[in-house]
Amino acid sequence: DGGITQSPKYLFRKEGQNVTLSCEQNLNHDAMYWYRQDPGQGLRLIYYSQIVNDFQKGDIAEGYSVSREKKESFPLTVTSAQKNPTAFYLCASSIKGGYGYTFGSGTRLTVV
Amino acid sequence: KQEVTQIPAALSVPEGENLVLNCSFTDSAIYNLQWFRQDPGKGLTSLLLIQSSQREQTSGRLNASLDKSSGRSTLYIAASQPGDSATYLCAVPMYSGGGADGLTFGKGTHLIIQP
Repeated sequence: DGGITQSPKYLFRKEGQNVTLSCEQNLNHDAMYWYRQDPGQGLRLIYYSQIVNDFQKGDIAEGYSVSREKKESFPLTVTSAQKNPTAFYLCASSIKGGYGYTFGSGTRLTVV
Repeated sequence: KQEVTQIPAALSVPEGENLVLNCSFTDSAIYNLQWFRQDPGKGLTSLLLIQSSQREQTSGRLNASLDKSSGRSTLYIAASQPGDSATYLCAVPMYSGGGADGLTFGKGTHLIIQP
């Protein structure tokens, strides 16, 4: 079955440490996105990519980095510059034009 | 910048009732509007997408309407069931176009259906 796989489901980060969240899709979707969700808040866009080797900053890109070397993969790195990284991170993909949005099951990141 | 507001923030009703969730957006020049469902600790599932040229869209017991001129959408759930308990999110494209540049989400309505 086609879908989006996020891993790990839970991630713990120590202060000053970089961590990478994985997102893989087998839907042959062109566009991929990373959103952050905090309790009681809507989703906020971190980064998005419409084609391989190209990506754009969203509303809250500071302290995060991404790469898009393959159509299927869009990993997110949470760097030590992100001062408040504890949140639920959701990866999504869509076909051209932003239709057919499909979300992964999320990664919950906690700073310890 | 587009802003999306959902009312109410939470709703608890007995099983079997019909209910309406509300969504409003500030910029009426939208290409489409989507409703999603989120179960606790899970990702989002797309429920309905309404194109700007449409007035409503139906899927089973769900009916979503769109009034672009007033910047409003409603999600109507008929004959509610305990399995409908979830958070419902409304979203519109962040910029012009269909959403390829990302979506702007409301904070959601947390719905509880009492058995």
